[in-house]
Amino acid sequence: EADIYQTPRYLVIGTGKKITLECSQTMGHDKMYWYQQDPGMELHLIHYSYGVNSTEKGDLSSESTVSRIRTEHFPLTLESARPSHTSQYLCASSAGGNKGTDNTEAFFGQGTRLTVV
Amino acid sequence: KNQVEQSPQSLIILEGKNCTLQCNYTVSPFSNLRWYKQDTGRGPVSLTIMTFSENTKSNGRYTATLDADTKQSSLHITASQLSDSASYICVVSDRGSTLGRLYFGRGTQLTVWP
Repeated sequence: EADIYQTPRYLVIGTGKKITLECSQTMGHDKMYWYQQDPGMELHLIHYSYGVNSTEKGDLSSESTVSRIRTEHFPLTLESARPSHTSQYLCASSAGGNKGTDNTEAFFGQGTRLTVV
Repeated sequence: KNQVEQSPQSLIILEGKNCTLQCNYTVSPFSNLRWYKQDTGRGPVSLTIMTFSENTKSNGRYTATLDADTKQSSLHITASQLSDSASYICVVSDRGSTLGRLYFGRGTQLTVWP
């Protein structure tokens, strides 16, 4: 069982609200990721981090922001939620490897199902 | 463009039967290929990971194969069980970036009937 946790599991909020999705891992992994997944579709990378104070945007444009103040914690924030943000958000982490050759396993959290009404 | 294509999109089999799922990719330069199992509403769980030099890897009733020349992989499930019902996702990593970017297929939705 992977030691990576996401909260909440499910969230229904109104348009315009500010929300933070939590992700924590206890494996000491340097690399952490946020993915967005719609039903029946592939995962899309929206943010990633190599380590503390390192964050980058992913492939999919997102109005969310992330922070990495501690190794184990990688929260994702939406300043003003909209119905278009309704989706499943998956957090992942990996130990990482040498530049460009990461053969280590990526562990995923259980996901947060967000619904914006 | 780096892509991962999976087939079939969905598959229904009877309990106890075998099945094979396919994955074709165009990711380059190739680093590794992973198969994940994702239950509905849950996060993906790793089944196998194979590098360029590996042709086959097993994990219990799951056996993955890789042909790096044709850029194809398959996942074979033996003696299927009801608990095998899930989405199986093929994920390919490149080694052309510092991230070791992961490219995800859309998955094959497997349903095992009693």
